[in-house]
Amino acid sequence: SQTIHQWPATLVQPVGSPLSLECTVEGTSNPNLYWYRQAAGRGLQLLFYSVGIGQISSEVPQNLSASRPQDRQFILSSKKLLLSDSGFYLCAWTRDSPNTEAFFGQGTRLTVV
Amino acid sequence: GENVEQHPSTLSVQEGDSAVIKCTYSDSASNYFPWYKQELGKRPQLIIDIRSNVGEKKDQRIAVTLNKTAKHFSLHITETQPEDSAVYFCAASYGNNNDMRFGAGTRLTVKP
Repeated sequence: SQTIHQWPATLVQPVGSPLSLECTVEGTSNPNLYWYRQAAGRGLQLLFYSVGIGQISSEVPQNLSASRPQDRQFILSSKKLLLSDSGFYLCAWTRDSPNTEAFFGQGTRLTVV
Repeated sequence: GENVEQHPSTLSVQEGDSAVIKCTYSDSASNYFPWYKQELGKRPQLIIDIRSNVGEKKDQRIAVTLNKTAKHFSLHITETQPEDSAVYFCAASYGNNNDMRFGAGTRLTVKP
């Protein structure tokens, strides 16, 4: 069966510090991978998605970046965090086929102080 | 790109009543419309989905309807229970890349 791992679960970082969140998927190959951000009491904002190694599509201009160094690994990074980067970050994957369910990681609650 | 709007943002009902959440989408190419439920502090999980070749789908107390002409779809929950309290998200996607866009979410509260 397929599983998705996302870590860390919680993170408190000072303004200006770097960020690295990691997500890995097991039990499938060539998944589509996604990073979403959920601000408090708000919806899921698509940040990045990837259809293959090294292929990243960015949806929102920001100081975040994403990388996919391996087929089942997706990393969200920042060089310098802003207060506005606080939120709940969710990694997700779907099969590389139309009209299929998205499976979410447990999420990372990031607080920038 | 696709834009999904969801209403209402909050919904409070009495236990046993029905709840309806509505979404509209902008891209007529979208052909897959899932609904996710997110309990407090947890990850969103799929509860029901509908594809563009059908107009309605039902699974016990939940149902989804789709109107492709008007580009809107709705979630219906009947005989609501306190455990239905959660945030519900609609989404729309199309194509092989599953570029899935979510609505802003509806916080449903079912009062016992």
